[in-house]
Amino acid sequence: QVQLVQSGAELKKPGASVRVSCMPSGYMFTTYHMHWVRQAPGQGFEWMGFIDPSSGTTDYARKFQGRVTMTRDTYTTTFYMDLVSLRSDDTAVYYCTRSGGMDFWGQGTTVTVSS
Amino acid sequence: DVVMTQTPLSLSVTPGQPASMSCKSSQSLLHGDGKTYLSWFLQKPGQPPHLLVYEVSTRFSGVPDRFSGSTSGTDFTLTISRVEAADVGIYYCMQGTHLPKTFGQGTKLEIK
Repeated sequence: QVQLVQSGAELKKPGASVRVSCMPSGYMFTTYHMHWVRQAPGQGFEWMGFIDPSSGTTDYARKFQGRVTMTRDTYTTTFYMDLVSLRSDDTAVYYCTRSGGMDFWGQGTTVTVSS
Repeated sequence: DVVMTQTPLSLSVTPGQPASMSCKSSQSLLHGDGKTYLSWFLQKPGQPPHLLVYEVSTRFSGVPDRFSGSTSGTDFTLTISRVEAADVGIYYCMQGTHLPKTFGQGTKLEIK
């Protein structure tokens, strides 16, 4: 069955960077785009962007352009989301989710930004 | 960006009774390919959301037929024909027609 397994929780200081990984299984890696969505504590969802695993092409939400980089490793079949210049309002649970339809989700990675 | 507005913010329903919730988009969600990319998700506490309905009215695999989606223009409705205790959580709509994809603020369903 389809599963998306994400990396563990992170605690970062303001100004630092974070990398979240997402390893899918149960389907062909290059078949579906991978999207990233975040949810701040007690808040709704915010779409960050996506990557096409076949080409590596990305499309980022305007809000995150310049701070986010989404990549993939076709050998280890892993997706990565890097966010730099972290601020306290980047504290959130970050999810990877398969395809534009968001049919399967990772378990979430809690990123806490605090001095 | 497309604004998705959900109502009500919370709903309390007796088991076995129906429930419905609404989601209104600030612009048409009809894509150039002829499809309307409006999805509904349920998030239970401490869990990621899971997909219930996509393209307005198509139930995702394994979703009971108690759940149904419909539309009237830019107004979208999720209906649960007979609420069960397992249905508690926060329901979110999401539009995938326009980038950035945007979500409603959620409707919290509680059981009386």
